[in-house]
Amino acid sequence: SYVLTQPPSVSVAPGQTARISCGGNKFGSKIVHWHQQKPGQAPVLVVYDDSGRPSGIPERFSGSNSGNTATLTISRVEAGDEADYYCLVWDTDSDHWVFGGGTKVTVL
Amino acid sequence: EVQLVESGGGLVKPGGSLRLSCAASGFTFSNYSMNWVRQAPGKGLEWVASISRRSTYIYYADSMKGRFIISRDNAKKSLFLQMNSLRAEDTAIYYCAREYISTKSYYFDYWGQGILVTVSS
Repeated sequence: SYVLTQPPSVSVAPGQTARISCGGNKFGSKIVHWHQQKPGQAPVLVVYDDSGRPSGIPERFSGSNSGNTATLTISRVEAGDEADYYCLVWDTDSDHWVFGGGTKVTVL
Repeated sequence: EVQLVESGGGLVKPGGSLRLSCAASGFTFSNYSMNWVRQAPGKGLEWVASISRRSTYIYYADSMKGRFIISRDNAKKSLFLQMNSLRAEDTAIYYCAREYISTKSYYFDYWGQGILVTVSS
């Protein structure tokens, strides 16, 4: 089955930039979506179609997808951005949705 | 306002069965594919199953195939997950999620609040 790899954790100081990577085999053709999940809450979509931003999501959240890696970038990090972040793709070979293992963002 | 509300969770013994429901409101349910996603305690998100708008296409994660059945009733705006032969490792919060089709792909744009299923003797 297809595997998406994310770093388990990222630490960042308030006001700085957090970058979370997501990669997999033959990744280049895949379209990536990102979800944020705060403790005790349901996930929330923060980036869709590699770089789209849903209504209500701050401009500080942006996404990119190049080569074998997709990246979620959180600029000017705030304490409220502390959460787990998951990348998600549709694997056409298996007809499965696949989540990355998640990255815990800690604001120092 | 889009709302997805799960119900039917609870405590069940290993080998038992449980049927989850997800009631949809605030949108035309029959226009969207729907999904179940679960999260074991302290673990990451795991996709469970997907069903297309008219139930034509149904997909399951490998570990759930043959034990779980996803279905929907468009007239009642409801999504279901029949879970059979439950194991301790099926213990998780189960979320329903709407699948939105964009010009480029599709993705989960709305999630329910989740319902806890505990499999234990």
